[in-house]
Amino acid sequence: DTAVSQTPKYLVTQMGNDKSIKCEQNLGHDTMYWYKQDSKKFLKIMFSYNNKELIINETVPNRFSPKSPDKAHLNLHINSLELGDSAVYFCASSQDGGGDKNIQYFGAGTRLSVL
Amino acid sequence: AQSVAQPEDQVNVAEGNPLTVKCTYSVSGNPYLFWYVQYPNRGLQFLLKYITGDNLVKGSYGFEAEFNKSQTSFHLKKPSALVSDSALYFCAVRDGGLWGFKTIFGAGTRLFVKA
Repeated sequence: DTAVSQTPKYLVTQMGNDKSIKCEQNLGHDTMYWYKQDSKKFLKIMFSYNNKELIINETVPNRFSPKSPDKAHLNLHINSLELGDSAVYFCASSQDGGGDKNIQYFGAGTRLSVL
Repeated sequence: AQSVAQPEDQVNVAEGNPLTVKCTYSVSGNPYLFWYVQYPNRGLQFLLKYITGDNLVKGSYGFEAEFNKSQTSFHLKKPSALVSDSALYFCAVRDGGLWGFKTIFGAGTRLFVKA
């Protein structure tokens, strides 16, 4: 069973479109994240939710809106896509708290290409 | 503010030789330190962590890392490299004293093991 799954794996779209990426984890974790990995492989956190509550909201354009319907799901909706949004987006989860609970488990990534 | 630095973009090593991937960090409180590995077209996978206790920690696939508080370093090591170790390695740090579940990732170091 896949622990953290994201769909779709590939997303090719035109500038100006709106798209969503879905993420689900079956690990029973309380915290979920969205990261953006650019073409140079630099990984930057975008958002984090703990038990459906937003706890980290980095400097990300308002066009990006996360939604967590329950603690097992964290979706990312992007409005008015721009060329600079092209990247690989990773979802991750962790239990959080002390010690081992800080380990993050990552999905396989969604490669977004904006044309 | 927390930060993590991986000074080498790429490390080249011959198969069978020892390898070291460097990482230094900065946090205001007690550091939680992690190494993750990313294979092509995959998400990050946890390798090992330092939370507290022995400065030498052992992880998956024969990797180990040494926490050095005075040098604020957490270098990743392996006594004998394999071609299959070739991948992108990320060091990560979280300030254990801070609420907010924010883990900062380094820029990544590409390890190339030559047969």
